[in-house]
Parts: sequence; structure tokens; C-alpha cells
Amino acid sequence: NAGVTQTPKFQVLKTGQSMTLQCAQDMNHNSMYWYRQDPGMGLRLIYYSASEGTTDKGEVPNGYNVSRLNKREFSLRLESAAPSQTSVYFCASSGQDYQPQHFGDGTRLSIL
Amino acid sequence: QKEVEQNSGPLSVPEGAIASLNCTYSDRGSQSFFWYRQYSGKSPELIMFIYSNGDKEDGRFTAQLNKASQYVSLLIRDSQPSDSATYLCAVMGSSGNTPLVFGKGTRLSVIA
Repeated sequence: NAGVTQTPKFQVLKTGQSMTLQCAQDMNHNSMYWYRQDPGMGLRLIYYSASEGTTDKGEVPNGYNVSRLNKREFSLRLESAAPSQTSVYFCASSGQDYQPQHFGDGTRLSIL
Repeated sequence: QKEVEQNSGPLSVPEGAIASLNCTYSDRGSQSFFWYRQYSGKSPELIMFIYSNGDKEDGRFTAQLNKASQYVSLLIRDSQPSDSATYLCAVMGSSGNTPLVFGKGTRLSVIA
């Protein structure tokens, strides 16, 4: 019963490198989300996908791109990593309207 | 801008006491309300949700909702040291397929 799976769990990058964070869910959920969490800032929404084939910006989209590859998978790409993107990234998914979001274990990303 | 406000804490309670966590929200049209627990270094975990005014009980947890006052709370009875965590309040707007808006969380410490 995997739920939401994120890879990798940890990553260290150098400034300017690119990287894609992967997320997959096996709950047949329509909606998927990417958040970042920083100390004192809470969870901030980066991008979300309400259904397969659609994506929308959240609160902090700059410096990121996303792809909803299919119903199961939603990836987050950093094209040119910056130290300000050092954070913990969470992927989440939700099913029908008004249902809660379920989170993956997170990716801890450090950019030097 | 939709906002969810929580006291950051820390809220310290003795073991066996009732912990009371509070949350206010700005969007009067909000329909769904969720409480997540997050242990240090872990991902948010759903513990309660409530849709209607009044109380909803699940084991030692009770969620309370007052839409007129735009206020939602979480009571934890017989608090245990294992309840020590950050508790996140999350609110979904009037449209059922929109991302949750999270508060920054209240850190609870249960003292043995």
C-alpha cells in the first residue's frame, strides 16, 4: 500500500544544476500537488494539477516547472538550481471533491 | 488572499491533560477543514477532517467547527508524549477541487 511515492529522498546539487523530482501515486487520485516547506514558512504550494493534462501555478512557482505525465505521475523540475531552493519538497494527491490530500515522504534538497 | 492562522506555539501541556489547538480562516465560503500532524523530519499525516458545524470525535481527538466565527479547533484528550508534534490546520475553499490552504502550524509539546 504505497500511497504517494517520491524520489529521491535526499539530493545535493550545485548552483546552476538541473534536477527533476519524481512523484507517483497509486490511489487513482485526480489531483496532485507540489509543496515546499521551509522553517517558519509553513507549506507553500508550488504547482498543482487538478486533473490529467492540466497544471496551475501556486503561491511560489518561479524557478520551477512541472509535468503531469499521466494520472499517476507528477514531476517537478528545477532548471537552474539556486541556493534559495534549498528546502523540503512534498508531493501530495487527492481524490474526489472536498477530500483530503495525502502526502509523500518528501525530498530533502540542498543546493550549494 | 485566503489565509489560515494558527498560533505557532510551542503549546506545552502535561501528560494526561487536554491540548487545545486553534485555527482561524479568512475565506467565509470554505467548506472542508482538515487537521494534519507532522512529526519532526516527517511528512504531514491526516488525523481529522470536518465539514459541518459542531463537533466530530475520533478516539482521543475532537475537531470543532464554527463557520459563523470562521474558527476550527482540535482537542486532544489524555495527551501523551507521543502527541508532541506540529499540528497543521488546512482549509479548502468553496470549490471542491482547489488546493488546501495551510496554516503554519502549532508546535505541541506534551511533558511527561
